[in-house]
Amino acid sequence: NAGVMQNPRHLVRRRGQEARLRCSPMKGHSHVYWYRQLPEEGLKFMVYLQKENIIDESGMPKERFSAEFPKEGPSILRIQQVVRGDSAAYFCASSPPQLGYNEQFFGPGTRLTVL
Amino acid sequence: AQRVTQPEKLLSVFKGAPVELKCNYSYSGSPELFWYVQYSRQRLQLLLRHISRESIKGFTADLNKGETSFHLKKPFAQEEDSAMYYCALKNFGNEKLTFGTGTRLTIIP
Repeated sequence: NAGVMQNPRHLVRRRGQEARLRCSPMKGHSHVYWYRQLPEEGLKFMVYLQKENIIDESGMPKERFSAEFPKEGPSILRIQQVVRGDSAAYFCASSPPQLGYNEQFFGPGTRLTVL
Repeated sequence: AQRVTQPEKLLSVFKGAPVELKCNYSYSGSPELFWYVQYSRQRLQLLLRHISRESIKGFTADLNKGETSFHLKKPFAQEEDSAMYYCALKNFGNEKLTFGTGTRLTIIP
């Protein structure tokens, strides 16, 4: 099992462009979580998705940010019209489809730099 | 609102000395507490969680509800313990994790 995959690992965008971050969960995992880490801060929860459903998006900024986890393919975190404050490391985690606590396995992260 | 505080950004300890990484939390319900570790050039991984009450790589952590703390301890530090350590909290019945800002532990040979 290759673990949680994220791509790209590094992404550079100019202000106003769109950023698309991809996350492929571990095999057999149907729960995906996105976290953002700003410089000098801890990881902050953004959104929790299951296949084709957003379960908890309480950490998502109200504008410009969206996430999806389609039936087929990776989960996508999309940031429209990026601003310098969006520069951060974005981590994806996945867990298996079981009730109760399941360990979240983290990907290597995507480092977004907005020029 | 739930919050996790790790007061030390940096901690240096000599090899063989005891290690204690502090973690305090604020939460009104019954939290689940975890320690995650990130070694150099590796991804974040779970080290231990309070409900399992186990020792991993010589590390232990006891949940103290009275002091709202979950400090990570190891009696004798090893060089391979050098890493970034994050304390995290989860609501019972909710899947999202709340992380502290992390402590970078450096073991001095």
